[in-house]
Amino acid sequence: QSALTQPASVSGSPGQSITISCTGTSSDVGGYHYVSWYQQYPGKAPKLMIYDVSNRPSGVSNRFSGSKSGNTASLTISGLQAEDEADYYCSSYTSSSTRVFGGGTKLTVL
Amino acid sequence: QVQLVESGGGVVQPGRSLRLSCAASGFTFRDFAMHWVRQAPGKGLEWVAVISYDGSHKYYADSVQGRFTISRDNSKNTLYLQMDSLRADDTAVYYCVREEYKCVYFDYWGRGTLVTVSS
Repeated sequence: QSALTQPASVSGSPGQSITISCTGTSSDVGGYHYVSWYQQYPGKAPKLMIYDVSNRPSGVSNRFSGSKSGNTASLTISGLQAEDEADYYCSSYTSSSTRVFGGGTKLTVL
Repeated sequence: QVQLVESGGGVVQPGRSLRLSCAASGFTFRDFAMHWVRQAPGKGLEWVAVISYDGSHKYYADSVQGRFTISRDNSKNTLYLQMDSLRADDTAVYYCVREEYKCVYFDYWGRGTLVTVSS
């Protein structure tokens, strides 16, 4: 049950686009269409942003999008805004019926 | 509205036990799988355990297997986490999390309860 691999930090200027990667194995990310992404502000509970690789829950801005290729999933945020500055985590279902998170990525809006 | 309220956290000595509870409301609790997810201070999220809607299936992270037990009482709309043989690295905020109906993602999170393992 190794954590999925995410970059520790990414940054971008307002209006730009950024992409956060999430790399796993064929036993988790690559094997299922069950990757989700969560946004977390300091001291707050995480919030679902993307589910099933590329689906957006109601109420989440369409500036957030998700994709997957092989064992790597990605979260893209377009038209970056100051309010997007937060920690982002990917999660996947695994072949053992467990779940696994990525190590998290701190997004800084310059 | 969906509410998940954790309780039972606190300071406990290494090797001792603690039981967390999560009171659920605003939805039909018995229809949903439930999870515990934890976050050590300043660290990332770590999935801990899941229990199926009827309690018949349970899965654990390797880091807690054999020490923690997840359970539920659908008559009381309550989720539990029995934590035994606690270690310093179990120190974390523990979140009670709902899994969307027949899906594989977390749609509602509680506010968390802090467990500190220290002598």
